[in-house]
Amino acid sequence: AQSVTQPDIHITVSEGASLELRCNYSYGATPYLFWYVQSPGQGLQLLLKYFSGDTLVQGIKGFEAEFKRSQSSFNLRKPSVHWSDAAEYFCAVGLWAGSYQLTFGKGTKLSVIP
Amino acid sequence: GAGVSQSPSNKVTEKGKDVELRCDPISGHTALYWYRQRLGQGLEFLIYFQGNSAPDKSGLPSDRFSAERTGGSVSTLTIQRTQQEDSAVYLCASSLGQEHNEQFFGPGTRLTVL
Repeated sequence: AQSVTQPDIHITVSEGASLELRCNYSYGATPYLFWYVQSPGQGLQLLLKYFSGDTLVQGIKGFEAEFKRSQSSFNLRKPSVHWSDAAEYFCAVGLWAGSYQLTFGKGTKLSVIP
Repeated sequence: GAGVSQSPSNKVTEKGKDVELRCDPISGHTALYWYRQRLGQGLEFLIYFQGNSAPDKSGLPSDRFSAERTGGSVSTLTIQRTQQEDSAVYLCASSLGQEHNEQFFGPGTRLTVL
């Protein structure tokens, strides 16, 4: 079955430290890949997306992600975390199946220690 | 407005009652998606509209759930005879409807069934 796995439910980092959030997917083909962020009481905001081409993609707010086909992974990284980055992060994949519906992982909650 | 809007933001209802949730997509976006987010879970796809038609209803959990879209714009998700397991945040997203296009999410409606 197709699935998206975010193995870390909750991560805590100190402000200024680097961050990596993991995402693995299980699909027959390479899907479209996305990272969204959800702040409390807010809708989801797209951080970045991968469709094809360069496997290192840059997003907003200083985030980047690397697609690794051999590992079926699309990990999100940030070199220096800010307190305002505290939120929940969702990895999602899209593959045409009657629509471009997105399949989401269960999310990783990020806490930032000042 | 500039973004996707949803109303109401919160809805508390009694088991067995019907509820209607509204979504106003971004003007000009032909594709509209409904998702459900249960506590501690990722988003689950419910239904996809292209214009006023719904070619993909595969995510609707039961026949108590239905949705319509009129004028290629506003959509209403209706849940009949609500059950406690229907308690969740219901999110709407819209996009230009073409491959690769980003889905823009609304803030969601938090539904609580007592």
